[in-house]
Amino acid sequence: QKEVEQNSGPLSVPEGAIASLNCTYSDRGSQSFFWYRQYSGKSPELIMFIYSNGDKEDGRFTAQLNKASQYVSLLIRDSQPSDSATYLCAATDYGGSQGNLIFGKGTKLSVKP
Amino acid sequence: EAQVTQNPRYLITVTGKKLTVTCSQNMNHEYMSWYRQDPGLGLRQIYYSMNVEVTDKGDVPEGYKVSRKEKRNFPLILESPSPNQTSLYFCASSLGTSGASDTQYFGPGTRLTVL
Repeated sequence: QKEVEQNSGPLSVPEGAIASLNCTYSDRGSQSFFWYRQYSGKSPELIMFIYSNGDKEDGRFTAQLNKASQYVSLLIRDSQPSDSATYLCAATDYGGSQGNLIFGKGTKLSVKP
Repeated sequence: EAQVTQNPRYLITVTGKKLTVTCSQNMNHEYMSWYRQDPGLGLRQIYYSMNVEVTDKGDVPEGYKVSRKEKRNFPLILESPSPNQTSLYFCASSLGTSGASDTQYFGPGTRLTVL
């Protein structure tokens, strides 16, 4: 069973701090990785995607991918209370076809003012 | 406005009564997918479709059917719903040139309760 694993949290950080969210995946064939943010009662929305080893930055967000360690992370700099949400990590499953996307169970982030 | 729509948003039904949840997108996306989200289990893929008339199973397809007769619509059918299908359902779509690797846009969700 291919899996994406995340610490469920909650992860609590003070406003202005760096929040670090981590994710590991079991399928070495996975090539594309996504971070989604989901507010309570709402649908997931894409924050970042990353395909290549290394870092990818977009504003306050940085995604990091290490395929050798099968590890993906999301850093949120200058965390704001509005960042409080559940963050979902997802990886594509290339074992069967290109259509399957596997999600982790999510990490709940709380940013305290 | 580019969007994925789902109907109904809320549904309470009884065991065994067939139902359909509709999903429609106006972005000319090739790829569409259905997920269910349950507490403690996260978001799990039910079925996906890479293109019209092409569908495939995700991780939890049992008890569900789908069809893709036209590009914009991807209905989810529960022929004989059971209480364990009580869940929050999301439809998603993406451009689809790279299958699930493209950014997926999610609908607002359908909260289904089966009594």
